Amino acid sequence: DQQVKQNSPSLSVQEGRISILNCDYTNSMFDYFLWYKKYPAEGPTFLISISSIKDKNEDGRFTVFLNKSAKHLSLHIVPSQPGDSAVYFCAASGSATNKLIFGTGTLLAVQP
Amino acid sequence: NAGVMQNPRHLVRRRGQEARLRCSPMKGHSHVYWYRQLPEEGLKFMVYLQKENIIDESGMPKERFSAEFPKEGPSILRIQQVVRGDSAAYFCASSPGLTRSTGELFFGEGSRLTVL
Repeated sequence: DQQVKQNSPSLSVQEGRISILNCDYTNSMFDYFLWYKKYPAEGPTFLISISSIKDKNEDGRFTVFLNKSAKHLSLHIVPSQPGDSAVYFCAASGSATNKLIFGTGTLLAVQP
Repeated sequence: NAGVMQNPRHLVRRRGQEARLRCSPMKGHSHVYWYRQLPEEGLKFMVYLQKENIIDESGMPKERFSAEFPKEGPSILRIQQVVRGDSAAYFCASSPGLTRSTGELFFGEGSRLTVL
């Protein structure tokens, strides 16, 4: 049962343009949503999160949007930079535990 | 370096041998989580531990896998009688507790197990 889904395995964008990564979830009990970035042979690093009581959170070039009615969230990166090229994982957790459930990831390639 | 420390970074075992992966959480963190990433797949939750307690092991395979987080020392993920399908990257994460200002877990660099 895949509770967190990232349906796009990969995304390619031009440097300076916007990158939009999408994530869907099925469990309405999730109350925190996070995005992690991962380079090959390294551990995931936290990017940004949003609680279920909000619909938007912004941190520099990164903005996460949450649409609870659609059970959908997205990560916007603008402007995209070549150093942003990595695998991006969406994750969610419920109120009873810190455990994170991850999506399968989206490989972002930012072309110079 | 006060981050999550995992060792070994790379481990090669033959089928039937045992693999032990170690994880020292960030200073001040008392909660540890183990995840597995199979080739071309996402991160799958395995087990969540506090000191001397297993909180959630719903992602652990029923056989050959065990985890502990003793009062002193690192957390250990133990895989007995390894098979080729156990080849994966195993990531450990830690958190300070149930304080959930961001929900963030802090990950180590991972241990890459190769079973020949």
